[in-house]
Amino acid sequence: DTAVSQTPKYLVTQMGNDKSIKCEQNLGHDTMYWYKQDSKKFLKIMFSYNNKELIINETVPNRFSPKSPDKAHLNLHINSLELGDSAVYFCASTLAGGLNEQFFGPGTRLTVL
Amino acid sequence: DAKTTQPNSMESNEEEPVHLPCNHSTISGTDYIHWYRQLPSQGPEYVIHGLTSNVNNRMASLAIAEDRKSSTLILHRATLRDAAVYYCILDVTSGSRLTFGEGTQLTVNP
Repeated sequence: DTAVSQTPKYLVTQMGNDKSIKCEQNLGHDTMYWYKQDSKKFLKIMFSYNNKELIINETVPNRFSPKSPDKAHLNLHINSLELGDSAVYFCASTLAGGLNEQFFGPGTRLTVL
Repeated sequence: DAKTTQPNSMESNEEEPVHLPCNHSTISGTDYIHWYRQLPSQGPEYVIHGLTSNVNNRMASLAIAEDRKSSTLILHRATLRDAAVYYCILDVTSGSRLTFGEGTQLTVNP
């Protein structure tokens, strides 16, 4: 069983389109994250949710809107896609509090043409 | 966030030990030292973490300097599967944010 799963694995789309990436974790964790890894391989946190509530929102354009329907899911919706949005997006989860490791998903490679 | 400095790349031979250094001279008293690695085309995975004492687990060992301004991740017997980018990260708790630097690209030669 995959602990943190993401769909789709690859996403190719045109500029200006709206797309969503889904993330699910079956670890019983209460905190979930979205990270972006750009072409230079820098991995940066975008958002963090704890028990469906937003707790971290880095300087991310408001075209990006995370949604957490329940503790096990954190989806990322992107409006009006731009070329610079091309990257690999990773979802992660952990248990809040303490020193718990983060578990990462396999990533979604988004290509905006 | 306190900053870490790692070599851009290192090479090792298979079945030999690997020592991956990390400098963190501005570490605060409450910062834990975390190590993650990212294998090619995969998400990062947790390796180990520590505060002051040396730590061992099934994957690796973490040696922390007495002044805590540096640490070393030790892979006791490198395998080809250990080829990855290794990230040294400081944080009060991994339940909050992880700030990834550039990491060290480890190449393992057969």
